Parts: sequence; C-alpha cells; structure tokens
Amino acid sequence: NAGVMQNPRHLVRRRGQEARLRCSPMKGHSHVYWYRQLPEEGLKFMVYLQKENIIDESGMPKERFSAEFPKEGPSILRIQQVVRGDSAAYFCASSPGTKATGRTEAFFGQGTRLTVV
Amino acid sequence: RKEVEQDPGPFNVPEGATVAFNCTYSNSASQSFFWYRQDCRKEPKLLMSVYSSGNEDGRFTAQLNRASQYISLLIRDSKLSDSATYLCVVSKTDSWGKLQFGAGTQVVVTP
Repeated sequence: NAGVMQNPRHLVRRRGQEARLRCSPMKGHSHVYWYRQLPEEGLKFMVYLQKENIIDESGMPKERFSAEFPKEGPSILRIQQVVRGDSAAYFCASSPGTKATGRTEAFFGQGTRLTVV
Repeated sequence: RKEVEQDPGPFNVPEGATVAFNCTYSNSASQSFFWYRQDCRKEPKLLMSVYSSGNEDGRFTAQLNRASQYISLLIRDSKLSDSATYLCVVSKTDSWGKLQFGAGTQVVVTP
C-alpha cells in the first residue's frame, strides 16, 4: 500500500508563473488536506477536500490559490502568478475519514518544495 | 496569540537521558491531541495520540492537562535517532480534518 504520493518533490517557478502541485492519497482514503510550511514555521492548514467537494478552505489565501480533488485523479493545488512569498514546503495529507471513530489520524506525503525565483 | 505554542528549543540531551517538554493550546474546544515527529523538514509522521488519561508507547509518554490546556511529551533513555523536531498538534472534533500544528520543539540527542 503506497503512501501519500506528492509530485513534483521540488518545483522552481519564476515570479508570475503558475505552480501545480499534485497529491495522490493513500489507497482507500477519500479525504485530502493541504498544508503549507514556511521556513522556520509550523504547518498551516490550507484546505480540506473530499472527492469533488471542498469541505473547508478557511486557510486558503483569497487570491491566486485554488484546490480541487476530482472524481478521477489526484488532488491539485494550483497557485497562479506566484510571488517570492509563496516559496514554502507544501504538504498533502490523507485520511480514511472515519468520523464515527473520532479519529483524525492523517498520513502525510513527502511534500513539494516550491521555490519562486 | 498562537493557537498552539511550543518552546522551540533546542533541547540538547545526552544519550540515555530523559527529556520532557510541553505544548499549550488556546482553544478549549480542542478535542484531539497528537505528537508528530518531523525530521529535517521532511513530512511529519504521527508519533502518538494523546489521551486524557495519559498514554505510553515504549520510551515515550504523553500527558494531557485539559484544565491548564497543555500537553506534554517525555522521552526516556534517549537515542541518537530521537533527534528531530516534535510537533504538537490539536484538532477540534467538529472539524476533525483540520489540524493545528505548533512550530515544533527541536531535540538534539548527543553521544
């Protein structure tokens, strides 16, 4: 059972370009979360998605950022017109979503390190 | 005020010694608590969940104090491989998919 797969692992973009980060959850997991970690800071929640639905996007910047989790294929975090401040590690996590058990254990992918030059 | 606060450290610990550190959280509605471990900015990995009664997993012991809103982690008989950043994580049951991370406590175990 492969873990959470993120690609690319490293991404370099020039200011103004678009960045697309992909996340394939663990097999059997239908809940995906995106987090951002700035240098020397903790992980910050961005968005929580289920297949074809955004459940909670309270951590997403209002502009330039969007996320989707289509019926088929990986979840995509898209950053348009990147700026230097977008440079960070972006982690995706997935969970089976067993709300009945109250468990919130999430497994993380290895992250995508975005560098904006 | 940050929702989850941790002493950044580093805690320099001789191999074989015991180290303990706390984390405080501000939201009294928080229901789930965890310690994650992060090595060299790699992905966080779940170390253990923290239960109200306290729990132990091998050399690791976690405690929760709801009245004072803090969580603790104690590592006994420290190994070199315990060197890492330990992340305190809390979650509210009603939005359980949304985890709030502390910035981490760095532990360095020395020979």
